[in-house]
Amino acid sequence: DADVTQTPRNRITKTGKRIMLECSQTKGHDRMYWYRQDPGLGLRLIYYSFDVKDINKGEISDGYSVSRQAQAKFSLSLESAIPNQTALYFCATSDLNSQETQYFGPGTRLLVL
Amino acid sequence: LAKTTQPISMDSYEGQEVNITCSHNNIATNDYITWYQQFPSQGPRFIIQGYKTKVTNEVASLFIPADRKSSTLSLPRVSLSDTAVYYCLVGGPNTGGFKTIFGAGTRLFVKA
Repeated sequence: DADVTQTPRNRITKTGKRIMLECSQTKGHDRMYWYRQDPGLGLRLIYYSFDVKDINKGEISDGYSVSRQAQAKFSLSLESAIPNQTALYFCATSDLNSQETQYFGPGTRLLVL
Repeated sequence: LAKTTQPISMDSYEGQEVNITCSHNNIATNDYITWYQQFPSQGPRFIIQGYKTKVTNEVASLFIPADRKSSTLSLPRVSLSDTAVYYCLVGGPNTGGFKTIFGAGTRLFVKA
């Protein structure tokens, strides 16, 4: 969905490096999410935010941090990347009034060497 | 948390109707049932959502029995391009944290 954009789309980094993945949305939604997906598996929730001042851990938050800079922006950081964080990362948004229907970005493919 | 159970994979042929059933025994009163489709290397895409009985849109139909403990996504006359992973989720507006969980989904293979 072009209303949710992610940068970069692909990233290669080395173990121990700090990296940031960014997500922007033009849908005007209050709720934003970060997921990771490993090959052949479903999506696992890393962090979510219901508004600018709200940050919540998901099921796999260890090794990650987030920042909700504005309603439209939600960034994910890997403080010290490790190889098992190699995955496909998705950002999503939703609107409370739409019964939690989520709109996903195109994904960021991350490779940690 | 409302957990869902769906078949891991299904095969079909072009032109056939495909029905994917999802179990959600612990669905809460205010939960909706939502189905997503995901193609390789793309984010999931909303297909259909319902609360009870039957919902139909231009893509699919969703059948929900009265007890709401399961739901069936029906894809009419599938084509090769319907090969994807289909996720069933339950969740809804709430005031106590995020409930919606993605499971492993159902991998649908449509053959010529």
